[in-house]
Amino acid sequence: GEDVEQSLFLSVREGDSSVINCTYTDSSSTYLYWYKQEPGAGLQLLTYIFSNMDMKQDQRLTVLLNKKDKHLSLRIADTQTGDSAIYFCAETLPSGGYQKVTFGTGTKLQVIP
Amino acid sequence: SQTIHQWPATLVQPVGSPLSLECTVEGTSNPNLYWYRQAAGRGLQLLFYSVGIGQISSEVPQNLSASRPQDRQFILSSKKLLLSDSGFYLCAWSTGSGNTIYFGEGSWLTVV
Repeated sequence: GEDVEQSLFLSVREGDSSVINCTYTDSSSTYLYWYKQEPGAGLQLLTYIFSNMDMKQDQRLTVLLNKKDKHLSLRIADTQTGDSAIYFCAETLPSGGYQKVTFGTGTKLQVIP
Repeated sequence: SQTIHQWPATLVQPVGSPLSLECTVEGTSNPNLYWYRQAAGRGLQLLFYSVGIGQISSEVPQNLSASRPQDRQFILSSKKLLLSDSGFYLCAWSTGSGNTIYFGEGSWLTVV
């Protein structure tokens, strides 16, 4: 299966931590990604994790991967109003000579001042 | 460094009119190229991908077509637009062996 699922909406207060969750179904995924989409804009690559890693930290962002449960999360520390956006997780699978990327439906993060 | 551009950024077209969205990539050669559509409030749907000039694969049957006349140029077209073609269209690229997809700025299409 190639479904990637996310909750649709998350609301947090400025300064709190945000945790955005994602589940995927294909255990042969090679890379897993988090993209950020601000209103009316394209997708910006935030971070990615290789499937043989458990955790990756990049400044305020922490990505956790639980391969057993096929669960990926993105934690944003000290969430700011500028973090308000839609966050997409995505997985890649080799498919006929190219890497097929499947995106989740996106989680809209609302940061309340 | 590599850059990707797509245009026009915004388009309002009547039903039955043609469509042409263009995308170019700079700073790399022989990229994989993609067209995605994002309908309002929904996730991303892969429409077409291309691994080389003239090589187009379609992921979903639809009213749209794609062409790759040059190595770094990808064009999304339609002969007759439908209301259901409205949405946000994103061009993207990746290296031939790479795993990461990079997106353009997107094009808003409203069919009226």
